[in-house]
This record gives sequence, C-alpha cells and structure tokens, in this order.
Amino acid sequence: EVQLLESGGGLVPRGGSLRLSCAASGFTVSNFAMNWVRQAPGKGLEWVSTIAIGGTTYYTDSVKGRFTISRDKAMNTLYLQMHSLRADDTAVYYCAPRGLVGDWFDPWGQGTLVTVSS
Amino acid sequence: ETVLTQSPATLSLSPGERATLSCRASQSVSSSLAWYQQKPAQAPRLLIYDASNRAPDIPVRFSGSGSGTDFTLTITSLEPEDVAVYYCQQRSSWPITFGQGTRLEIK
Repeated sequence: EVQLLESGGGLVPRGGSLRLSCAASGFTVSNFAMNWVRQAPGKGLEWVSTIAIGGTTYYTDSVKGRFTISRDKAMNTLYLQMHSLRADDTAVYYCAPRGLVGDWFDPWGQGTLVTVSS
Repeated sequence: ETVLTQSPATLSLSPGERATLSCRASQSVSSSLAWYQQKPAQAPRLLIYDASNRAPDIPVRFSGSGSGTDFTLTITSLEPEDVAVYYCQQRSSWPITFGQGTRLEIK
C-alpha cells in the first residue's frame, strides 16, 4: 500500500527556517516526480515544487531562492527546506507523487502545518 | 500562467440530484486536466485524470468531460458523502495550477 507521511511542520518566526519531510512507503520516491502542494488556512490548493525523476527541480515563483526540494534515495524520503519564511507561507504542506495514476498527484499525504508568526 | 476558473463557487443540491461543475482554462490545456475532491479536514483525493478517466476506486457516478479550455465534472445522483470542495488542476504548462474550487453542499 502506498503511504506518505509528512512531518516537520510547526510554528516558526518570520525570517526563520524549517525542513519538511515526507516519508514514503509502497513505492520508491526516486522513480517518480515528487511534489509539494500547500493550502493556506481556508484557501485553495497551490503547487509549490516538483523534483523530476532525473533530478530537475521546479518552483512556484513566490518560493524561488528560498525553498529547496530534495530527496534521499536510501531513506525513501522527500524534503522541502524552507528559508526566509514569510507570513504568506503559512499553510498545510502536502506531498504527493506524480506517475502512480497517470501523471497526476496521487495519493496525497495527510499534510503538515507550517505557521509563520509575524 | 494558465489560470483555471471554476464555477459556480458554491453549489447546493439535494440527495439524488445531479451536480455539474465547470472549469475553464485561460488557454488550451488539451486533455491535461484533473479533478480532486477534498472533504472537510481531509487531504485532497484524485477523482478524474486526463479530463475523463476515473481514478481507481472512484464511484461511477463521478464523470469528467471536455478538452481544450472547457471542462465539466458531473456527479450523478448525489449522496451526502459527496459534501466537499472540488478542484480542477492542469499540468499542460508550468507552473502547475489549480482552480479556486467549487464547494458542494447537500441540502
């Protein structure tokens, strides 16, 4: 069974840093494009970042230069290193693979909440 | 950036009725569109991919149609468990974008 477990969220001051983790089981993260999607409180879904099978990375404009996506093959884990956090980074962060069902986000983890205090 | 506009913002229907949700893209996305369901306090779940294919274990009352810029998610014979926010998403061009969501309420 495919499962994703995000962790690392919490309360962080503005300008601070945080590293999110997404531990995967039931599949190998390096064999799929892995993604982070976030949802601000009461708002819709926003794609944040993708790491492709070959390692190429993509970011939404608002996080370029501040966030870094990476993966650890041995740990079968996806990461999101976040620096210079801002109030508008406050959100639940979900990880999801693309490629298990077509080339779409499926399944999703339960999410981890990041709160940036201003 | 491809903007996805969903309508209506909120839909309130009775059990057994048919729901029709719309997603319009600012430029053609071909068939590179998916629909997700997000129930209260849950993570999103993939419903429909490539515009019209049901994801595994999704009930047959959910169907998708459209291509290019206009897409529809149809839910026939609504059930109380269908209460959720429904999002469309495109992957035709970077950045990946989502619609703002349609909230489905059951009377």
